[in-house]
Amino acid sequence: DSGVTQTPKHLITATGQRVTLRCSPRSGDLSVYWYQQSLDQGLQFLIHYYNGEERAKGNILERFSAQQFPDLHSELNLSSLELGDSALYFCASSVGGRETQYFGPGTRLLVL
Amino acid sequence: AQTVTQSQPEMSVQEAETVTLSCTYDTSESDYYLFWYKQPPSRQMILVIRQEAYKQQNATENRFSVNFQKAAKSFSLKISDSQLGDAAMYFCAYRSGVYNQGGKLIFGQGTELSVKP
Repeated sequence: DSGVTQTPKHLITATGQRVTLRCSPRSGDLSVYWYQQSLDQGLQFLIHYYNGEERAKGNILERFSAQQFPDLHSELNLSSLELGDSALYFCASSVGGRETQYFGPGTRLLVL
Repeated sequence: AQTVTQSQPEMSVQEAETVTLSCTYDTSESDYYLFWYKQPPSRQMILVIRQEAYKQQNATENRFSVNFQKAAKSFSLKISDSQLGDAAMYFCAYRSGVYNQGGKLIFGQGTELSVKP
């Protein structure tokens, strides 16, 4: 158990819908990262938040957005979902931006 | 841009034997970190080992060790005394030490390791 929690574990929804994925970092960690794992793209970095502020963006679609709240939990919002958004979404946390990242169990999203 | 390449999509090892997984990377930076993560069938990403580029000594964690060749930009993982529980997908990852790079991990394509009893 890494100490990073993600909810829900599984999500099945339809095209065009909107979903929210939630992540709680390890106690004491200020950085939260989101990654997407799909068969065709592999593991891709989406976005990094540090203590409530966006620190870096990767290949994140405009339909996707994220935020980190004062209690340091983070949410990844995916809207206008397409079949290709089906993937495993990971959250990872670290103490700061230079320390080792520990991953949550992931949220498996299936868009039908 | 930095890239990470794992040229072995699949590897197989006999239980109790030793296996080495290969990873090469490309970067022009001098400050960076390298990692191996393990992803078993549960799909959880588990840190195996970490190496700082400024350290000449190869990192070791129990049965896991790395061969870090900075000039060759090579970072291989050696698993000794392989166990059935080592069967998983293994990912090599790079992270820049430069502040404005945002701390993101760049992953290789993965190597699927099977362990034969």
